[in-house]
Parts: sequence; structure tokens; C-alpha cells
Amino acid sequence: DTAVSQTPKYLVTQMGNDKSIKCEQNLGHDTMYWYKQDSKKFLKIMFSYNNKELIINETVPNRFSPKSPDKAHLNLHINSLELGDSAVYFCASSQDPGTTRNTIYFGEGSWLTVV
Amino acid sequence: KQEVTQIPAALSVPEGENLVLNCSFTDSAIYNLQWFRQDPGKGLTSLLLIQSSQREQTSGRLNASLDKSSGRSTLYIAASQPGDSATYLCAAGDYKLSFGAGTTVTVRA
Repeated sequence: DTAVSQTPKYLVTQMGNDKSIKCEQNLGHDTMYWYKQDSKKFLKIMFSYNNKELIINETVPNRFSPKSPDKAHLNLHINSLELGDSAVYFCASSQDPGTTRNTIYFGEGSWLTVV
Repeated sequence: KQEVTQIPAALSVPEGENLVLNCSFTDSAIYNLQWFRQDPGKGLTSLLLIQSSQREQTSGRLNASLDKSSGRSTLYIAASQPGDSATYLCAAGDYKLSFGAGTTVTVRA
């Protein structure tokens, strides 16, 4: 079974549209994350939730809104998509944030292309 | 703000050669240092996690060292194989991970 799964894997959409990416983890972790990987391959954290509570919110346009219905799910909704939003979005989870043993498990990514 | 740099950006070696991948970070107040592998079109797979109190971790042919005082970590891969071809990312962790841009490794058969 896939530990961290996200859908869709590929998404091509027009500027101005609203889209969502879903993420689920079956590891029993309390903390989930969204990371963005840009064209230069840098991975940057966007959000982190712990037990459905937002704990990290980096400088991300408010067009991006994460939603965590329960601790196993963290969805990412993006309004009014722009060309610069084209990237790979990775969902991840971990059990021990803020500790030395915090191993993070990543999903396979969602490739978003805005045209 | 934590900044992580990986050198070299790309590396091509013949099969059997040992690989040395370097990672440097600017803020030594980290909880851990993690190495990941990323295959094209895939997510990240955790390879090794070195806790801040540790100097190194080993898993099979992989060995990673950590020197917090100098802000450096090195990943060694012994006796490289074509299957080791991938991008290797290091990440310095406090409450979140700060990633380097990765080293893309090609092992030639």
C-alpha cells in the first residue's frame, strides 16, 4: 500500500481556473506537509498541519488554501491559477516534527501545468 | 534563514567507482540532516537521517556524515551501480526541512 498518496498526478489547466490536489497518508502520522518544487528543482515548504491544526504557513499567496478534514488527509486548493503556479507539488507526512528523529515521507508528486 | 547548498550539481562516474556528494548548510541549529533520493517523475525516498547528536549513519553501501560545527554533511555511496543513478537531495531539519537543489548522479555501465 502506498504510504502517502496524492491525486491527481498530472494536471493541466488554464489560467484563472480553480483546482484541488488531494493527499492521504496511511502511516498514522500526526503531521502533514505541502512542498513545492520549482523548475530549478528547489523544494520549499508551503504548509504544515499537525492534527488538523495549521502550524507552518510560509509566505504563500492566499490563493493557496490547505484543508485538513482529518489528520490523515491534507488537501491543497488553488484559486485563480497563474502561469507561475506551474510546478510539482509534494505532499508529505511525519510523526515527530521538531525532534531529531523526524523522518519525512513523501508522496510521488502532482505535476501542475498552467497554460 | 537556513540555506542549503549541494556540490556538485551533477556527477557522472563509471560503475564501481565510489560516490561522494557534498552538502553544506548555514545554520547549525538543526535537529537533523536527511538525505533523500529522487528518481525522475517520482517522489522523494528517505535514505538516511542523522540526528544532531550523531556524527554519521550507515545503511548498506550508503554512509552519511554530519559535522554541525562546519555546517557540512557528506553522503558516500560505495561501489556505485547503474541503479544508483538519480538525484540526491539533502535537507537540514529544524521544525521544517530546508532542501538543497540536489546532485544528479549518473552511473555509467
